[in-house]
Amino acid sequence: EAGVTQSPTHLIKTRGQQATLRCSPISGHTSVYWYQQALGLGLQFLLWYDEGEERNRGNFPPRFSGRQFPNYSSELNVNALELEDSALYLCASSLVLQETQYFGPGTRLLVL
Amino acid sequence: GNSVTQMEGPVTLSEEAFLTINCTYTATGYPSLFWYVQYPGEGLQLLLKATKADDKGSNKGFEATYRKETTSFHLEKGSVQVSDSAVYFCALFNYGGSQGNLIFGKGTKLSVKP
Repeated sequence: EAGVTQSPTHLIKTRGQQATLRCSPISGHTSVYWYQQALGLGLQFLLWYDEGEERNRGNFPPRFSGRQFPNYSSELNVNALELEDSALYLCASSLVLQETQYFGPGTRLLVL
Repeated sequence: GNSVTQMEGPVTLSEEAFLTINCTYTATGYPSLFWYVQYPGEGLQLLLKATKADDKGSNKGFEATYRKETTSFHLEKGSVQVSDSAVYFCALFNYGGSQGNLIFGKGTKLSVKP
């Protein structure tokens, strides 16, 4: 069974640009979660999508947004990139409101 | 609110040493508890979990017991290997008032020397 996949593996952008990160959940999982792992800040929850709807978001500004497609894959968009957005972005999936979340390998975003 | 506190690292051990990484939590109700592991340059892998009091999760020689009376979920391994070098995260998920996300500790970096 394929795990959670994310693309791209690495992404380099300059300040002010937009970044788009993609995630495909495990087959059969309808919930997708996004987390940010910035150096020294641990793992911070960004967004939760289920059945195409945003169910919850963490304490991040509106320039962090996303969506979930009918096939349950998801996209995270970060607008007006700032240097401090440099981080590893992790996507996870689960069955709806099931506690066990399975993570992808992450996208490493570098903002110059 | 919900929170997880892990012992701060880094932890450096010799191969075959005994490992304990402490984790305590604060939560209302009955959360599920997890240990995730992150190898260098990779995402998080689920190591083990426990969903109710006194449950013991185990995997790859690692164990952790859900202790409600002490609100703890300490990770142990009897004999570590160099390949166990990684960052370990304790996490909880609380259905009661759940916002869907896992609550993570800050992580404990383990280095095992040959």
